[in-house]
Amino acid sequence: GQNIDQPTEMTATEGAIVQINCTYQTSGFNGLFWYQQHAGEAPTFLSYNVLDGLEEKGRFSSFLSRSKGYSYLLLKELQMKDSASYLCAVKDSNYQLIWGAGTKLIIKP
Amino acid sequence: GAVVSQHPSRVICKSGTSVKIECRSLDFQATTMFWYRQFPKQSLMLMATSNEGSKATYEQGVEKDKFLINHASLTLSTLTVTSAHPEDSSFYICSARDHGDVGELFFGEGSRLTVL
Repeated sequence: GQNIDQPTEMTATEGAIVQINCTYQTSGFNGLFWYQQHAGEAPTFLSYNVLDGLEEKGRFSSFLSRSKGYSYLLLKELQMKDSASYLCAVKDSNYQLIWGAGTKLIIKP
Repeated sequence: GAVVSQHPSRVICKSGTSVKIECRSLDFQATTMFWYRQFPKQSLMLMATSNEGSKATYEQGVEKDKFLINHASLTLSTLTVTSAHPEDSSFYICSARDHGDVGELFFGEGSRLTVL
């Protein structure tokens, strides 16, 4: 079966750095997405990785290792508004998106 | 980025009635749109893939006669929840891509359905 694993919940301090991990087992791979979802709202796109390595975009970076079936989302200089759920999704060989359950990130002052 | 608009954002209805949710791509043409359902504290669950000009493709376990999808134009898909029951109460979200199978998904704002 296809599976995406990410921690259910994480807590971090404002101004700090946090890394959210995602491991996947899917039938084929055509890219990995990270989305941010605030409570009661729809997801918004953060990043897309299809090749191994680190993609940096401002305070957010995303890393991919296809051989390990592993990705992480790195958030720097955390702000209170970063409190949200972070969803990892993998596009399989049929270009279907397989979604993780999401990681709820709680930022404390 | 591309904009997807969803309406209504919130709807409350009585059990047994039908509710229609609209999903529009405002600045691009979407031959394919996706409908998701999300229960509290759970991940997105794909319900169906809406294809312009043809029948929707439903995921296993989703009743096509209960969740009617119509994709009559390249910018509009509708989801109708027929004979709604309290267990249908959920957050329904549509999404679309503007470049075929590649690229990111753009999501509508979501529709919170409460069935009394």
